[in-house]
Amino acid sequence: AQTVTQSQPEMSVQEAETVTLSCTYDTSENNYYLFWYKQPPSRQMILVIRQEAYKQQNATENRFSVNFQKAAKSFSLKISDSQLGDTAMYFCAFLKLYNNNDMRFGAGTRLTVKP
Amino acid sequence: DVKVTQSSRYLVKRTGEKVFLECVQDMDHENMFWYRQDPGLGLRLIYFSYDVKMKEKGDIPEGYSVSREKKERFSLILESASTNQTSMYLCASSLLAGGGNQPQHFGDGTRLSIL
Repeated sequence: AQTVTQSQPEMSVQEAETVTLSCTYDTSENNYYLFWYKQPPSRQMILVIRQEAYKQQNATENRFSVNFQKAAKSFSLKISDSQLGDTAMYFCAFLKLYNNNDMRFGAGTRLTVKP
Repeated sequence: DVKVTQSSRYLVKRTGEKVFLECVQDMDHENMFWYRQDPGLGLRLIYFSYDVKMKEKGDIPEGYSVSREKKERFSLILESASTNQTSMYLCASSLLAGGGNQPQHFGDGTRLSIL
């Protein structure tokens, strides 16, 4: 079974600075998807960024980018120019190819952006 | 935009009660999911459904059942609520697409307290 590990339960960053959230996973699969989801306080969980394992190029979405290291099974999220609205729980998730019913989530990292 | 609506944001029930949590999505998604979210444990899958009247157990189905009579609605039932079922419950939906690259879309969550 796939497992996803987020080793940082809590992090903080000053507004406008850059922060990196870590995620590692364990799988024997070669093709899969990785996601970062954001859950703001008392608000809906939303998708931040997605990476296909067969793509070597790291995904980017505006201020959000990932560092995908397939051999190391690592998938970190970098947030540049942090904003107060980035304060949230961040979950890393793994999804096997051809099985979109079995998404595995990490325990989450609580990120606080300080003014 | 996908809209996943959970009937209650906060719910307080008593031990032994039968509890219904309702979820409706408006995007004609085939897949629907119920998760439980607990601090330090991330999201754990309770049940999912890939079609009307179809259901599959997730990782922690004990003490729960589900119902999917219509494509847009997926209900989670606590047959006899217990205090260890106090938690945040998240509903999600996704397309049943080949390749499994469809992200899940989440509702706002229901914070359930069992007294």
